[in-house]
Amino acid sequence: DAGITQSPRHKVTETGTPVTLRCHQTENHRYMYWYRQDPGHGLRLIHYSYGVKDTDKGEVSDGYSVSRSKTEDFLLTLESATSSQTSVYFCAISESGLAGGGEQYFGPGTRLTVT
Amino acid sequence: AQSVSQHNHHVILSEAASLELGCNYSYGGTVNLFWYVQYPGQHLQLLLKYFSGDPLVKGIKGFEAEFIKSKFSFNLRKPSVQWSDTAEYFCAVNANRDDKIIFGKGTRLHILP
Repeated sequence: DAGITQSPRHKVTETGTPVTLRCHQTENHRYMYWYRQDPGHGLRLIHYSYGVKDTDKGEVSDGYSVSRSKTEDFLLTLESATSSQTSVYFCAISESGLAGGGEQYFGPGTRLTVT
Repeated sequence: AQSVSQHNHHVILSEAASLELGCNYSYGGTVNLFWYVQYPGQHLQLLLKYFSGDPLVKGIKGFEAEFIKSKFSFNLRKPSVQWSDTAEYFCAVNANRDDKIIFGKGTRLHILP
């Protein structure tokens, strides 16, 4: 398995509180991604990064921000959590990116519940 | 906007039955195509991918998929399923060789022993 860890693995938080999820990789891959997985929706891309300090939005980016100050870490922040952000969040990495036919390796996921 | 459709949300088969899961995408340009599998309680793993060349792609665990450009399809097949194939399967498309990938909503496969 690719060296990807996510923390925390489970979190329960209240509406309106800020939450930061961390993705850490030991593979030195350039590309990192954050997805959310919801029943009936599959995986949807939130944000992705194509290098340190280089990020772009995905299809469901509203209410989320990201930061990547080091190659190995990609942080996802919910500035003010809402119940609609209750989901399982997956981080993924890719060495060469998808455009060149590279594949993604997924982390174990973080289950977030917003009450 | 690009989209991916998986025809079956839930499939139930007996062991040794043949499997075909449908996947269609809406994009007329160059595509990379993927099938991922998620076993219960685990993260996604790549089953196979199509980038170029032979449209019949073979993956891990006896799975294969055929890219039919004229039908915008990339169906997943396995001639004889096993109980251990019980999982959720996701088709995904990377369109126009950019850095994003669009996933289908998934198909839950349940194999009866």
